[in-house]
Amino acid sequence: QVQLVQSGAEVRKPGSSVKVSCKVSGGTFSSSAISWVRQAPGQGLEWMGSLIPMFAKGNYAQNFQDRVTITADESTSTAYMELTILKSEDTAVYYCARLHNGGGGDFWGQGTLVVVSS
Amino acid sequence: EIVMTQSPATLSVSPGERATLSCRASQSLSTNLAWYQQKPGRTPRLLIYHASTRATGIPARFSGSGSGTEFTLTISSLQSEDFAIYYCQQYHNWPLYTFGQGTKLEIK
Repeated sequence: QVQLVQSGAEVRKPGSSVKVSCKVSGGTFSSSAISWVRQAPGQGLEWMGSLIPMFAKGNYAQNFQDRVTITADESTSTAYMELTILKSEDTAVYYCARLHNGGGGDFWGQGTLVVVSS
Repeated sequence: EIVMTQSPATLSVSPGERATLSCRASQSLSTNLAWYQQKPGRTPRLLIYHASTRATGIPARFSGSGSGTEFTLTISSLQSEDFAIYYCQQYHNWPLYTFGQGTKLEIK
């Protein structure tokens, strides 16, 4: 069974950056696409981007193209999402997920709350 | 970038009745469309993929249909546990995804 365990809650000031980690166990980490999805309070799901570790090149949603970087450390099966130039509107729960690809299971981390406040 | 539009934003239905939720894509997806259910404080749960294939453990009252740009999720006889928010998601250009904005299914 695939499990994703994320790092703990963060508080940041506007203009700063945050890096959230996601440790994956089970499955084949290197060839699996790990996505990051965020959900602001009372809002919907927003896909931010994904990375297949063996290819090392992130794919990003247009809304986040300039501010998000997704990386992975194959030696520890851990993915990372860094978001820069934080604004109050970035306050949200950030999820890592190994989303389905038309089958193959769908697995989510527990979520990491990031609060951006002065 | 593919844009997903769901309707209605809120749907009020009585228990035991049928609910029909819609999702439209800005370009053809073939059948690369999934549906998720999310309850407060929980992670999303995959219901349907390939537009009409139920995920493991999903009850038969959930069904999906459509192809191209128009898709529908039908819940045939609503149970109390079905009142939640539903999202469609496209994966036509995997590993890129987009979610719709969600439909809140509430008790009438």
